[in-house]
Amino acid sequence: EAGVAQSPRYKIIEKRQSVAFWCNPISGHATLYWYQQILGQGPKLLIQFQNNGVVDDSQLPKDRFSAERLKGVDSTLKIQPAKLEDSAVYLCASSLSGTEQFFGPGTRLTVL
Amino acid sequence: GEDVEQSLFLSVREGDSSVINCTYTDSSSTYLYWYKQEPGAGLQLLTYIFSNMDMKQDQRLTVLLNKKDKHLSLRIADTQTGDSAIYFCAVPRYSSASKIIFGSGTRLSIRP
Repeated sequence: EAGVAQSPRYKIIEKRQSVAFWCNPISGHATLYWYQQILGQGPKLLIQFQNNGVVDDSQLPKDRFSAERLKGVDSTLKIQPAKLEDSAVYLCASSLSGTEQFFGPGTRLTVL
Repeated sequence: GEDVEQSLFLSVREGDSSVINCTYTDSSSTYLYWYKQEPGAGLQLLTYIFSNMDMKQDQRLTVLLNKKDKHLSLRIADTQTGDSAIYFCAVPRYSSASKIIFGSGTRLSIRP
């Protein structure tokens, strides 16, 4: 069974630029999560989708972050414009039942 | 608010047992998790325990749960160099079991 795929693995941008991350969850997993993991900390939930609907985006900085999962499968997370403090690893996870979450390898973002 | 705390570092000698501790403020009555993160990788589910259990053993891993004290621990027997990683305790939010809160992680290093 293929795992959660994410791309790119690494991205370096300058502040005020835009960036987008892509996630392909495990086939059949209805729930998809985006987390932000700042160096030295645990992952923090940004947004949770159930199929193509948003379940929780209370921690998403909506002035600059957006995410979509239009067809209920792949998802993209966008930051526009990026700030220095957005430097982190962005992790995507998916879940079949809402209990066990399977994580992708993450995208490491560096904002200069 | 809900909080999950772990000590940041643990160093053990190869072959000894490692015990990683976690305390939390509140949790829904479902599963509590331990994840492992190796350098440059996403999180891998290591083991979990249902909230109505107080112990679970899985090969070299033993999870202990003290619900009264809101304390979760992970014991790794016969610690090997391949166990070097960051270990995250993850607890479902009281208000929603599908949303989990991660601790800051404990970095386990192995001495020869």
